[in-house]
Amino acid sequence: QSALTQPRSVSGSPGQSVTISCTGTSSDVGGYNYVSWYQQHPGKAPKLMIYDVSKRPSGVPDRFSGSKSGNTASLTISGLQAEDEADYYCCSYAGSYLFGGGTKLTVL
Amino acid sequence: QITLKESGPTLVKPTQTLTLTCTFSGFSLSTSGVGVGWIRQPPGKALEWLALIYWDDDKRYSPSLKSRLTITKDTSKNQVVLTMTNMDPVDTATYYCAQTWGSRIDYWGQGTLVTVSS
Repeated sequence: QSALTQPRSVSGSPGQSVTISCTGTSSDVGGYNYVSWYQQHPGKAPKLMIYDVSKRPSGVPDRFSGSKSGNTASLTISGLQAEDEADYYCCSYAGSYLFGGGTKLTVL
Repeated sequence: QITLKESGPTLVKPTQTLTLTCTFSGFSLSTSGVGVGWIRQPPGKALEWLALIYWDDDKRYSPSLKSRLTITKDTSKNQVVLTMTNMDPVDTATYYCAQTWGSRIDYWGQGTLVTVSS
């Protein structure tokens, strides 16, 4: 099992929107609607931001949204804020978990 | 309030066996659908899922590490234990335990850094 593929870095200015992609295969991302996204600030534990492709846990701002097309899932953050600067990881569940390589989001 | 905390050695020697304990509160591992898993993160690198145990004692392991991992639970003590054999310097990482519900990893511990060095 290879890690899901994410861009190493993305950036955007405050107020803009950014999208982070997560590419897998038909055996993971494409086969199930069980993609989740985690935000991790330096030195902190990851935090669940999106689950089951597009659902937001309570307390997560609606600026964060998720979608999927085929074997690629996406996390979109609209109205970028300085505190959104972090690493983001996608994860697919198919009876076991598989993480992506992570994407560093820089807010310019 | 759900909390999880990892405990175990901070330093292990190559070839030794690592034993980590996750002690949790705020939920029961006898509740249908609940799981507790382990995820690690080498310094400056990505998250890697290791193992998971469900409320019904169903156990899942990372295919690449399956031969080295054992996960067990003690429901009465609210603990989950992970053992990893034949430790190597490349296993140096922060090890997290986390609660799962369905497909989501809901709550994470603070993590514990384990260094493998002679």
